Amino acid sequence: DQQVKQNSPSLSVQEGRISILNCDYTNSMFDYFLWYKKYPAEGPTFLISISSIKDKNEDGRFTVFLNKSAKHLSLHIVPSQPGDSAVYFCAASLLGTYKYIFGTGTRLKVLA
Amino acid sequence: DTAVSQTPKYLVTQMGNDKSIKCEQNLGHDTMYWYKQDSKKFLKIMFSYNNKELIINETVPNRFSPKSPDKAHLNLHINSLELGDSAVYFCASSDGPASSGANVLTFGAGSRLTVL
Repeated sequence: DQQVKQNSPSLSVQEGRISILNCDYTNSMFDYFLWYKKYPAEGPTFLISISSIKDKNEDGRFTVFLNKSAKHLSLHIVPSQPGDSAVYFCAASLLGTYKYIFGTGTRLKVLA
Repeated sequence: DTAVSQTPKYLVTQMGNDKSIKCEQNLGHDTMYWYKQDSKKFLKIMFSYNNKELIINETVPNRFSPKSPDKAHLNLHINSLELGDSAVYFCASSDGPASSGANVLTFGAGSRLTVL
């Protein structure tokens, strides 16, 4: 049972444009969501998070939007840079627990 | 100085062998995890230890046995390796349970296991 889904395995964007990565979840109990970024031969690194009491969280070029009614979140990167080329994982959790459920990742390629 | 370090980075072995992957974190975190990323790229939790006590044990064959000698180390031992065990195994740590804006997972670089 795949509780967190990233339906786009890959995405290509021109440098300077907006990258939008999407994530859907099925368990309405999830109340904490994170995005991780992964370069080849490295482990995932934390990028940005949002709790379910918010619908938006911004950190520099990165903004995460949460639509609880649609059980959907998205990561916006503006402007996209070649160094942003990586695999992005969405994860969901319940606050106060230790279990994080990850999606299968979206490979972002930013073209110079 | 690597925060979460795993050894070995690559491991190629024959079916039926027993192997171990070691993990150490120098972040002072209380909780450590093992995640498996299979060929379909799912990143699935296997085990979690908090202060050397097992707190998460997902549906994993009992050929997999984690061991936490202290809160800075979490090792994974796999008996009687099978072809389907081929995957990348990631160790991670956190400074407590999921908390808004804090206690996120810090991952190691992964250990790629290939079973022939």
